[in-house]
Amino acid sequence: EIVLTQSPGTLSLSPGERATLSCRASQSVSSTYLAWYQQKPGQAPRLLIYGASSRATGIPDRFSGSGSGTDFTLIITRLEPEDFAVYYCQQYGRSLTFGGGTKVEIK
Amino acid sequence: QVQLVESGGGVVQPGKSLRLSCAASGFTFSAYGMHWVRQAPGKGLEWVAVIWYDGRNKNYADSVKGRFTISRDNSKNTLYLQMSSLRAEDTAIYYCARDPGGGWPPIVLYYFDSWGQGTVVTVSS
Repeated sequence: EIVLTQSPGTLSLSPGERATLSCRASQSVSSTYLAWYQQKPGQAPRLLIYGASSRATGIPDRFSGSGSGTDFTLIITRLEPEDFAVYYCQQYGRSLTFGGGTKVEIK
Repeated sequence: QVQLVESGGGVVQPGKSLRLSCAASGFTFSAYGMHWVRQAPGKGLEWVAVIWYDGRNKNYADSVKGRFTISRDNSKNTLYLQMSSLRAEDTAIYYCARDPGGGWPPIVLYYFDSWGQGTVVTVSS
């Protein structure tokens, strides 16, 4: 099973700042098979990024994904108030696993 | 507009059974693979099961294999999860989610482009 480790566990930032979230895999993941989700309290997750770097429908361009092999990154260029949430990465190349999540909180 | 509405959750004793439903609308349900994903209280996401668009193929997480059964009724646009031999560790919010691999021929991509709001299952004596 591929284990995904997300870091940091919590990111404390102010609106307007840049957020950089990391997702590291225990084995190589084809970049075609890496997704990112956003989850707000009391809500279902929402797909942000698939194929490591493709934005899902309706996702603002301040969200971008990159990476390959075992290291993937989600960047939010300028945090809006509605971006404070928990973010999960997921690989779907070999079976299917999620990372443990990164909470982006208001500083 | 894609809409997924889960129902059937509740409090159930260990060892008992429960069936969840997910009513789909706003898209051609019969063209898409569908998944169940769960989230234990205060924890992360765990994939549970997938069913192909036509119901012929199914896959399960090891943690539920042999206890849970995923099924669908394309005439009713409804997805199901039959859960048996429930354990305390099955306590979670259960989400149904659409696989984006619709189209022709339909494929299953194993990620999730639409989610329901979830139904809560609590396994406790």
